Amino acid sequence: DAGITQSPRHKVTETGTPVTLRCHQTENHRYMYWYRQDPGHGLRLIHYSYGVKDTDKGEVSDGYSVSRSKTEDFLLTLESATSSQTSVYFCAISEWATRGAYFGPGTRLTVT
Amino acid sequence: AQKVTQAQTEISVVEKEDVTLDCVYETRDTTYYLFWYKQPPSGELVFLIRRNSFDEQNEISGRYSWNFQKSTSSFNFTITASQVVDSAVYFCALSEAPSTGGFKTIFGAGTRLFVKA
Repeated sequence: DAGITQSPRHKVTETGTPVTLRCHQTENHRYMYWYRQDPGHGLRLIHYSYGVKDTDKGEVSDGYSVSRSKTEDFLLTLESATSSQTSVYFCAISEWATRGAYFGPGTRLTVT
Repeated sequence: AQKVTQAQTEISVVEKEDVTLDCVYETRDTTYYLFWYKQPPSGELVFLIRRNSFDEQNEISGRYSWNFQKSTSSFNFTITASQVVDSAVYFCALSEAPSTGGFKTIFGAGTRLFVKA
């Protein structure tokens, strides 16, 4: 199994609070992605990174920011959490974007 | 614009039936990559296959086969002689290179497959 972990695995937070989710990999893969999964929408790309400090927006980036200061960590921050950001968040890594990605176990976030 | 459409929201079959999951994509690039992933009830996402835009050969892996047709922008997935263990959500994905850098991979909404014994 690819070495990819997400923390926390579950979180409940209140509207308006900042939240940071962490994705950590031990594979030294170049690409890292953050997706959210919601019923009826499948997986939607939030942000992705193609190298240290190289990041770009995905389909649903509003209200989210990311940082990647080292190869192994990709942080997703909800600047001011809203109930619409209640979701399951998946991190994925890929050695090359043209290869298949390995996914983390997911983080279930509930914003009350 | 980059887009993946999986029009079949849910499919229900009886064990041993063949089933085809449809995937239609949109892209402006000539170089792109297509993928299928499986998400069983346990929730993890598993990579199944990758195809690049220059390789239209169909692929077979055991009971699984994939049909890539650029003329119709489709990358369909067929399971032959389905089994209960095939019950899962299946996602099609498209990766292309935006002008801003790197490769961007987006997913379709997924097709939930129920295989009944």
